[in-house]
Amino acid sequence: DGGITQSPKYLFRKEGQNVTLSCEQNLNHDAMYWYRQDPGQGLRLIYYSQIVNDFQKGDIAEGYSVSREKKESFPLTVTSAQKNPTAFYLCASRYPGRREKLFFGSGTQLSVL
Amino acid sequence: KNEVEQSPQNLTAQEGEFITINCSYSVGISALHWLQQHPGGGIVSLFMLSSGKKKHGRLIATINIQEKHSSLHITASHPRDSAVYICAVRPNNNDMRFGAGTRLTVKP
Repeated sequence: DGGITQSPKYLFRKEGQNVTLSCEQNLNHDAMYWYRQDPGQGLRLIYYSQIVNDFQKGDIAEGYSVSREKKESFPLTVTSAQKNPTAFYLCASRYPGRREKLFFGSGTQLSVL
Repeated sequence: KNEVEQSPQNLTAQEGEFITINCSYSVGISALHWLQQHPGGGIVSLFMLSSGKKKHGRLIATINIQEKHSSLHITASHPRDSAVYICAVRPNNNDMRFGAGTRLTVKP
């Protein structure tokens, strides 16, 4: 079945540590997104990528980095510069055109030790 | 002010009731999406609208582009409809903007 796979489901970060969240899709979608969700709040855009080797900062990109070396993969690194990383992280892709549709991974809950 | 406003924030209904969730936005858009998020966090897409109305089973979504407003209706609500419903808009680029969500609880 086609879809988006995020891993791990739960992740713990120590002080000063960088951690990387994985996002893989086999839907052949160009557009991919990373969102952060805090309790009671809407999804906020961290980064998005419209095509391989290209990505743009979203509203809350500080303390995060991404890469898009392959169409299928859009990993997110939460760096030590992100002082409040505890949140639920969602990866998504978009099927374009008249039948536009969003697809989401199952999410990663990141917590700080 | 958020670009996407949803109301109500929380909604409790009895099984069988007709439910309406509203979404207003302040930017020009190419598309509007209604999404459903269940406990555990997974999100599924319900509808994409660029105009008019769409129906899928007991769910109906409408959009008024001139008024920058969309509604999601659930007919004959059921406890399994309990979830957070999210409105998201795509302005005329590839970005997406999300409402804070409406938490629906349907009691048997």
